[in-house]
Amino acid sequence: QQQVKQSPQSLIVQKGGISIINCAYENTAFDYFPWYQQFPGKGPALLIAIRPDVSEKKEGRFTISFNKSAKQFSLHIMDSQPGDSATYFCAASKAGSNYQLIWGAGTKLIIKP
Amino acid sequence: KAGVTQTPRYLIKTRGQQVTLSCSPISGHRSVSWYQQTPGQGLQFLFEYFSETQRNKGNFPGRFSGRQFSNSRSEMNVSTLELGDSALYLCASNRGGANEAQYFGPGTRLLVL
Repeated sequence: QQQVKQSPQSLIVQKGGISIINCAYENTAFDYFPWYQQFPGKGPALLIAIRPDVSEKKEGRFTISFNKSAKQFSLHIMDSQPGDSATYFCAASKAGSNYQLIWGAGTKLIIKP
Repeated sequence: KAGVTQTPRYLIKTRGQQVTLSCSPISGHRSVSWYQQTPGQGLQFLFEYFSETQRNKGNFPGRFSGRQFSNSRSEMNVSTLELGDSALYLCASNRGGANEAQYFGPGTRLLVL
């Protein structure tokens, strides 16, 4: 019930293409779903986050799509750039308790020039 | 504002030793969370402190402990180190409210020989 399953494990996308990373969860008590970006040698940095009362949230080239009934959410990176090459993590936390984030396994994204 | 800082950045210890890692949160942040990141297990929550009190704890053995000082700086201690404790230890801070974004430091990379 605590798991967050993330796929794919790795992804190669051409520059200008759309990168899509998917996550699924089981615990219906989760109500906060952030995505983090991590570069080598750095800590994770918050990219974008969503709550279950909306189905989509967009910030620049980054969009989260959320499907509450399917218990799935995904990150779309439009017009992917080489600088987007990083490891991306989805996470989830229970209502009123963001300090215990449950993390996906991560997706290593490579954008080919 | 300065970001979350962690010291030291790198550490090499031998089995059986103990280690103390330090984290200074962003100014004004009262919550500090600690995570362990390994290639095999990914990111796992260790514990969270708010106003010098441990609010939540993950599933780690008692060898892992922490504390928070009145200035919100936090330390984590690992006693009787094992080879499997080799990892990147990440600290994150926020103001401590419900479902607030967490801001991560660069981590301390611990190698146990």
